[in-house]
Amino acid sequence: QQQVKQSPQSLIVQKGGISIINCAYENTAFDYFPWYQQFPGKGPALLIAIRPDVSEKKEGRFTISFNKSAKQFSLHIMDSQPGDSATYFCAAGAYSNSGYALNFGKGTSLLVTP
Amino acid sequence: ETGVTQTPRHLVMGMTNKKSLKCEQHLGHNAMYWYKQSAKKPLELMFVYNFKEQTENNSVPSRFSPECPNSSHLFLHLHTLQPEDSALYLCASRRGRQAGELFFGEGSRLTVL
Repeated sequence: QQQVKQSPQSLIVQKGGISIINCAYENTAFDYFPWYQQFPGKGPALLIAIRPDVSEKKEGRFTISFNKSAKQFSLHIMDSQPGDSATYFCAAGAYSNSGYALNFGKGTSLLVTP
Repeated sequence: ETGVTQTPRHLVMGMTNKKSLKCEQHLGHNAMYWYKQSAKKPLELMFVYNFKEQTENNSVPSRFSPECPNSSHLFLHLHTLQPEDSALYLCASRRGRQAGELFFGEGSRLTVL
Protein backbone atom coordinates (compact mmCIF):
# COMPACT_ATOMS: atom_id res chain seq x y z
CA GLN A 1 0.00 0.00 0.00
CA GLN A 2 1.42 3.32 -1.06
CA GLN A 3 1.89 5.46 2.03
CA VAL A 4 2.49 8.78 0.28
CA LYS A 5 0.38 9.84 -2.70
CA GLN A 6 1.75 12.52 -5.00
CA SER A 7 0.15 14.52 -7.79
CA PRO A 8 0.35 15.50 -10.56
CA GLN A 9 2.52 12.95 -12.31
CA SER A 10 3.80 15.61 -14.70
CA LEU A 11 3.62 19.38 -14.87
CA ILE A 12 4.47 21.98 -17.49
CA VAL A 13 4.90 25.58 -16.35
CA GLN A 14 6.04 28.67 -18.18
CA LYS A 15 9.11 30.51 -17.00
CA GLY A 16 8.17 32.86 -14.20
CA GLY A 17 5.08 30.89 -13.25
CA ILE A 18 4.27 29.01 -10.04
CA SER A 19 4.72 25.25 -9.88
CA ILE A 20 2.60 23.40 -7.32
CA ILE A 21 2.98 19.75 -6.38
CA ASN A 22 0.76 18.06 -3.81
CA CYS A 23 1.19 15.10 -1.50
CA ALA A 24 -1.05 13.29 0.95
CA TYR A 25 -0.34 10.71 3.63
CA GLU A 26 -2.25 8.50 6.06
CA ASN A 27 0.22 7.44 8.74
CA THR A 28 0.09 9.92 11.61
CA ALA A 29 3.41 8.58 12.88
CA PHE A 30 5.23 10.45 10.12
CA ASP A 31 7.26 13.28 11.64
CA TYR A 32 9.42 14.60 8.83
CA PHE A 33 8.35 15.69 5.36
CA PRO A 34 11.11 16.39 2.84
CA TRP A 35 11.03 17.20 -0.83
CA TYR A 36 13.76 15.81 -3.04
CA GLN A 37 14.84 17.03 -6.47
CA GLN A 38 16.34 14.64 -9.00
CA PHE A 39 18.02 15.50 -12.27
CA PRO A 40 18.63 12.86 -14.96
CA GLY A 41 21.61 10.67 -14.13
CA LYS A 42 21.78 11.93 -10.56
CA GLY A 43 20.50 10.70 -7.25
CA PRO A 44 17.74 12.57 -5.39
CA ALA A 45 18.95 15.59 -3.41
CA LEU A 46 17.15 17.27 -0.53
CA LEU A 47 15.47 20.49 -1.59
CA ILE A 48 13.52 21.55 1.50
CA ALA A 49 11.92 19.80 4.46
CA ILE A 50 9.36 20.52 7.17
CA ARG A 51 8.34 19.05 10.50
CA PRO A 52 4.67 18.81 11.52
CA ASP A 53 4.85 21.50 14.19
CA VAL A 54 4.91 24.29 11.57
CA SER A 55 2.51 25.05 8.74
CA GLU A 56 4.88 26.66 6.28
CA LYS A 57 8.56 26.82 5.50
CA LYS A 58 10.17 28.99 2.87
CA GLU A 59 13.65 28.81 1.41
CA GLY A 60 14.25 31.18 -1.44
CA ARG A 61 11.77 30.42 -4.23
CA PHE A 62 10.69 27.14 -2.62
CA THR A 63 7.90 26.89 -0.04
CA ILE A 64 6.35 23.91 1.73
CA SER A 65 2.79 24.29 2.97
CA PHE A 66 1.75 21.73 5.54
CA ASN A 67 -1.80 20.91 6.69
CA LYS A 68 -1.60 18.48 9.58
CA SER A 69 -5.36 18.02 10.01
CA ALA A 70 -5.82 17.21 6.32
CA LYS A 71 -2.61 15.14 6.23
CA GLN A 72 -1.47 17.00 3.15
CA PHE A 73 1.57 19.00 2.17
CA SER A 74 2.62 20.76 -0.97
CA LEU A 75 5.63 22.29 -2.68
CA HIS A 76 5.36 25.69 -4.32
CA ILE A 77 8.09 26.89 -6.66
CA MET A 78 7.78 30.61 -7.27
CA ASP A 79 9.21 32.29 -10.37
CA SER A 80 9.89 28.88 -11.92
CA GLN A 81 13.02 28.69 -14.08
CA PRO A 82 14.07 26.28 -16.84
CA GLY A 83 16.82 25.06 -14.50
CA ASP A 84 14.09 23.84 -12.14
CA SER A 85 13.09 21.21 -14.72
CA ALA A 86 13.57 17.94 -12.86
CA THR A 87 11.66 15.21 -11.07
CA TYR A 88 10.40 16.10 -7.61
CA PHE A 89 9.62 13.56 -4.91
CA CYS A 90 7.79 14.17 -1.69
CA ALA A 91 8.51 11.85 1.20
CA ALA A 92 7.44 11.18 4.76
CA GLY A 93 9.63 9.76 7.48
CA ALA A 94 8.95 7.78 10.59
CA TYR A 95 11.00 6.04 13.21
CA SER A 96 10.21 2.40 13.92
CA ASN A 97 11.85 -0.62 15.50
CA SER A 98 13.84 -1.08 12.31
CA GLY A 99 15.24 2.43 12.44
CA TYR A 100 14.36 5.52 10.49
CA ALA A 101 13.25 5.43 6.85
CA LEU A 102 11.57 7.64 4.28
CA ASN A 103 8.51 6.65 2.26
CA PHE A 104 8.42 8.35 -1.13
CA GLY A 105 5.71 9.47 -3.53
CA LYS A 106 5.85 8.42 -7.18
CA GLY A 107 7.39 11.68 -8.30
CA THR A 108 6.39 14.63 -10.46
CA SER A 109 8.21 15.43 -13.67
CA LEU A 110 8.38 19.24 -13.95
CA LEU A 111 9.17 20.99 -17.21
CA VAL A 112 9.62 24.75 -17.16
CA THR A 113 9.42 26.19 -20.66
CA PRO A 114 11.35 29.34 -21.65
CA GLU B 1 29.19 15.58 -4.71
CA THR B 2 26.99 14.22 -1.93
CA GLY B 3 29.63 12.23 -0.10
CA VAL B 4 28.00 8.94 -1.12
CA THR B 5 29.76 7.09 -3.93
CA GLN B 6 28.26 4.16 -5.81
CA THR B 7 30.01 1.78 -8.19
CA PRO B 8 29.53 0.68 -10.86
CA ARG B 9 27.33 3.38 -12.34
CA HIS B 10 26.06 1.00 -15.01
CA LEU B 11 25.84 -2.79 -14.97
CA VAL B 12 24.47 -5.25 -17.51
CA MET B 13 24.16 -8.85 -16.42
CA GLY B 14 22.59 -12.07 -17.52
CA MET B 15 20.09 -13.92 -15.39
CA THR B 16 22.69 -16.48 -14.28
CA ASN B 17 25.45 -14.01 -13.40
CA LYS B 18 26.60 -12.96 -9.94
CA LYS B 19 27.58 -9.35 -9.44
CA SER B 20 27.81 -6.83 -6.62
CA LEU B 21 26.99 -3.16 -6.20
CA LYS B 22 29.16 -1.09 -3.88
CA CYS B 23 28.38 2.00 -1.85
CA GLU B 24 30.78 4.08 0.22
CA GLN B 25 29.90 7.11 2.32
CA HIS B 26 32.43 9.69 3.50
CA LEU B 27 30.08 11.55 5.84
CA GLY B 28 30.59 9.70 9.10
CA HIS B 29 26.97 8.57 9.10
CA ASN B 30 25.68 5.55 11.01
CA ALA B 31 22.71 4.47 8.92
CA MET B 32 22.82 3.22 5.35
CA TYR B 33 20.04 2.28 2.96
CA TRP B 34 19.36 0.55 -0.33
CA TYR B 35 16.43 1.86 -2.39
CA LYS B 36 15.18 0.61 -5.75
CA GLN B 37 13.96 3.18 -8.28
CA SER B 38 11.79 1.98 -11.16
CA ALA B 39 9.96 4.10 -13.71
CA LYS B 40 6.52 5.35 -12.62
CA LYS B 41 6.91 3.87 -9.13
CA PRO B 42 7.90 5.33 -5.78
CA LEU B 43 11.38 4.72 -4.49
CA GLU B 44 11.15 1.34 -2.79
CA LEU B 45 13.02 0.79 0.46
CA MET B 46 14.94 -2.48 0.33
CA PHE B 47 17.31 -2.63 3.29
CA VAL B 48 18.30 -0.50 6.27
CA TYR B 49 21.47 -0.81 8.30
CA ASN B 50 22.03 1.00 11.58
CA PHE B 51 25.51 0.82 13.07
CA LYS B 52 26.31 -2.10 10.70
CA GLU B 53 23.29 -4.10 11.89
CA GLN B 54 20.53 -4.86 9.41
CA THR B 55 17.32 -3.53 10.89
CA GLU B 56 15.03 -3.71 7.88
CA ASN B 57 14.49 -6.18 5.08
CA ASN B 58 11.46 -4.90 3.25
CA SER B 59 10.32 -8.28 1.86
CA VAL B 60 13.11 -8.29 -0.67
CA PRO B 61 13.67 -11.52 -2.65
CA SER B 62 16.66 -13.57 -1.53
CA ARG B 63 18.37 -13.06 -4.90
CA PHE B 64 19.36 -9.68 -3.40
CA SER B 65 21.81 -10.07 -0.53
CA PRO B 66 23.10 -7.01 1.35
CA GLU B 67 26.35 -6.78 3.27
CA CYS B 68 27.56 -4.01 5.56
CA PRO B 69 31.13 -4.73 6.75
CA ASN B 70 31.45 -1.34 8.47
CA SER B 71 29.49 1.87 8.82
CA SER B 72 31.10 3.38 5.71
CA HIS B 73 30.54 0.58 3.22
CA LEU B 74 27.46 -1.18 1.93
CA PHE B 75 27.20 -3.85 -0.74
CA LEU B 76 24.32 -5.40 -2.62
CA HIS B 77 25.14 -8.85 -3.94
CA LEU B 78 23.08 -9.94 -6.93
CA HIS B 79 22.50 -13.46 -8.23
CA THR B 80 20.02 -15.17 -10.56
CA LEU B 81 18.17 -11.92 -11.15
CA GLN B 82 15.09 -11.48 -13.31
CA PRO B 83 14.54 -8.92 -16.09
CA GLU B 84 12.02 -7.12 -13.85
CA ASP B 85 14.87 -6.39 -11.45
CA SER B 86 16.26 -3.92 -13.97
CA ALA B 87 16.19 -0.54 -12.23
CA LEU B 88 18.27 2.19 -10.67
CA TYR B 89 19.59 1.09 -7.28
CA LEU B 90 20.23 3.96 -4.91
CA CYS B 91 22.33 3.93 -1.79
CA ALA B 92 21.75 6.54 0.92
CA SER B 93 23.15 7.38 4.32
CA ARG B 94 21.94 9.31 7.35
CA ARG B 95 23.38 10.42 10.65
CA GLY B 96 22.01 8.73 13.75
CA ARG B 97 18.60 7.19 14.40
CA GLN B 98 16.45 10.33 14.47
CA ALA B 99 14.61 12.14 11.72
CA GLY B 100 16.81 13.78 9.19
CA GLU B 101 18.11 14.09 5.70
CA LEU B 102 19.07 11.09 3.60
CA PHE B 103 22.06 11.68 1.37
CA PHE B 104 21.82 9.70 -1.85
CA GLY B 105 24.47 8.45 -4.21
CA GLU B 106 24.01 8.78 -7.96
CA GLY B 107 22.85 5.20 -8.27
CA SER B 108 23.80 2.06 -10.14
CA ARG B 109 21.75 1.48 -13.29
CA LEU B 110 21.19 -2.27 -13.56
CA THR B 111 19.98 -4.02 -16.69
CA VAL B 112 19.18 -7.73 -16.50
CA LEU B 113 19.04 -9.49 -19.86
